[in-house]
Amino acid sequence: DVVMTQSPLSLPVTLGQPASISCRSSQSLVSSDGNTYLNWFQQRPGQSPRRLIYKVSNRDSGVPDRFSGSGSGTDFTLKISRVEAEDVGVYYCMQATHWPRTFGQGTKVEIK
Amino acid sequence: EVQLLESGGGLVQPGGSLRLSCAASGFTFSSAAMTWVRQAPGKGLEWVSTISDTGSRTYYADSVKGRLTISRDNSRNTLYLQMNSLRPEDTAVYYCARAGNCDYWGQGTLVTVSS
Repeated sequence: DVVMTQSPLSLPVTLGQPASISCRSSQSLVSSDGNTYLNWFQQRPGQSPRRLIYKVSNRDSGVPDRFSGSGSGTDFTLKISRVEAEDVGVYYCMQATHWPRTFGQGTKVEIK
Repeated sequence: EVQLLESGGGLVQPGGSLRLSCAASGFTFSSAAMTWVRQAPGKGLEWVSTISDTGSRTYYADSVKGRLTISRDNSRNTLYLQMNSLRPEDTAVYYCARAGNCDYWGQGTLVTVSS
């Protein structure tokens, strides 16, 4: 199985400051069709997960442009350019290239 | 507007069975793969199973293979998860999500396996 490793697992941030979460996979996520199926999800306290980013860097509809995704191969990053109070929650990466699908452990973002 | 509404959760004894449903609306259900993801209390997300748009292909996590069965009824726009031989470690909120990339999620239904 592909192991997804996120870091850090806890991320205290100051409002208005940037934040960055790393996600590394144990094998390449480049699919046979040439796409890289790496997604990012946000789960606010008490809510269902919400997809933010798909195929590494594509923002879902309604996602603020302060969220961006980047990376390739086995190394990926989610960045928040300026953290707002509503960004508090847990962030997960998930690979959808290989079976079984696998999630990272989650990164808890909180305000300092 | 895409809506996914799970139901069927509850308290069940170890070894028991339960069937979860996910009613879909706001999109062409018969054209979308569907996925179940679970989250144990206080824990992270775990992919459980995915079914293709026609239902001809199914995929399972090793932890549930042979005990949980995903299916769908495209005439009813409904996704199912038949859960047999349940174990305490199956206790979780079960979410249905659209497509293999999980672009939309339901609110989840809680399954508790305990004597």
